[in-house]
Amino acid sequence: EVQLVESGGGLIQPGGSLRLSCAASGFIVSSSYMSWVRQAPGKGLEWVSVIYTGGSAYYADSVQGRFTISRDNSKNTLYLQMNSLRAEDTAVYYCARDIGMRDYWGQGTLVTVSS
Amino acid sequence: DIQMTQSPSSLSASVGDRVTITCRASQGINNYLAWYQQKPGKVPKLLIYAASTLQSGVPSRFSGSGSGTDFTLTISSLQPEDVATYYCQKYNNAPYTFGQGTKLEIK
Repeated sequence: EVQLVESGGGLIQPGGSLRLSCAASGFIVSSSYMSWVRQAPGKGLEWVSVIYTGGSAYYADSVQGRFTISRDNSKNTLYLQMNSLRAEDTAVYYCARDIGMRDYWGQGTLVTVSS
Repeated sequence: DIQMTQSPSSLSASVGDRVTITCRASQGINNYLAWYQQKPGKVPKLLIYAASTLQSGVPSRFSGSGSGTDFTLTISSLQPEDVATYYCQKYNNAPYTFGQGTKLEIK
């Protein structure tokens, strides 16, 4: 059974850093393209980043240069390193497998950026 | 980057009504279009991929059509459990942009 479990969210001050994790089971992370999607309170879905099987990565303009997506194949885990956090980064962050083609999402982890 | 525009942004309809939501891409995306349903406090659920392929387990009252730049999601007979926000998403290449969402309510 495919499972995605996010962790690492919490309350962080503006300008701070946080690393989100997405532990996968039931499939191999490096064999899928893995995305992060976020949803600010009361707002719509916003795609954040993707890492492809070959390791190339892409980012939304809103996080380019501040966020870094990566994976640890030995731990079958996806990460999102978030630096220089802003209030507008406050959201539930979801990881998803093969977005658009398969229906595998984690339950999400809440990141709150506030002083 | 390609923009995804959904209409309407909100919709109120009666049980049994036929409901249509549209999604327009600012450039052609072939059929790399997915539709999601999200209920409050829940994870998005994939309804349709490849513009018109119904995800396993999704009721047959949901259907999708379109290719290129114009797409539609249709609910043939609206049910109370269909109250949700619906999103389209392009996935031909990054960025995998979502539409702004359509909030569907029962009249």
